[in-house]
Amino acid sequence: DIQMTQSPSSLSASVGDRVTITCRASQRISSYLNWYQQKPGKAPNLLIYAASSLQSGVPSRFSGSGSGTDFTLTISSLQPEDFATYYCQQSYTTLFTFGPGTKVDIK
Amino acid sequence: QVQLVESGGGVVQPGRSLRLSCAASGFTFSSYGMHWVRQAPGKGLEWVAVIWYDGSNKYYPDSVKGRFTISRDNSKNTLYLQMNSLRAEDTAVYYCARGSGDSALDIWGQGTMVTVSS
Repeated sequence: DIQMTQSPSSLSASVGDRVTITCRASQRISSYLNWYQQKPGKAPNLLIYAASSLQSGVPSRFSGSGSGTDFTLTISSLQPEDFATYYCQQSYTTLFTFGPGTKVDIK
Repeated sequence: QVQLVESGGGVVQPGRSLRLSCAASGFTFSSYGMHWVRQAPGKGLEWVAVIWYDGSNKYYPDSVKGRFTISRDNSKNTLYLQMNSLRAEDTAVYYCARGSGDSALDIWGQGTMVTVSS
């Protein structure tokens, strides 16, 4: 199975900050990498698919990059509604796997 | 609108069975692969199962293989998860999700809670 790691596991940031979250796969997965946002008590919401494609309806301050084993989710200017947990997920194999998550909270 | 609604969760004793359902609406259900994903209390997301759009293929991680069975009824626009030999570690919120053409999970239900406890 492909293992996914994320760093950091949590971070504190202020409104307006640029935030970067890293995801690494245990083997090369091309661009089969997706990012989700989850708020407490809610279902996850797809932000980025295929490493860098913005899901319809998602604000343009979210962006993704990377290929192979190393990927990045960037929030260009953190907004109050962005405080949440972010998960990466690989879809290179039929057996999907998620990263452990990165919690973004208020500094 | 596009919607997934799970049901069937509850409290069940270890070793017993439970069947979850996921009712789909607002899209052509029979055209999409469907997934189950779970989240234990305070923990991260764990992918549980996938079924092809026509039910022809099904896959599971080792943690549930042989105990859980995913199925679908395209005439009823409904996805199922049959869970047998339940364990305490199966306690989680179970989400159904639609597989997009780009291999992402683009639509999620609100989740249904399963608690395995004596």
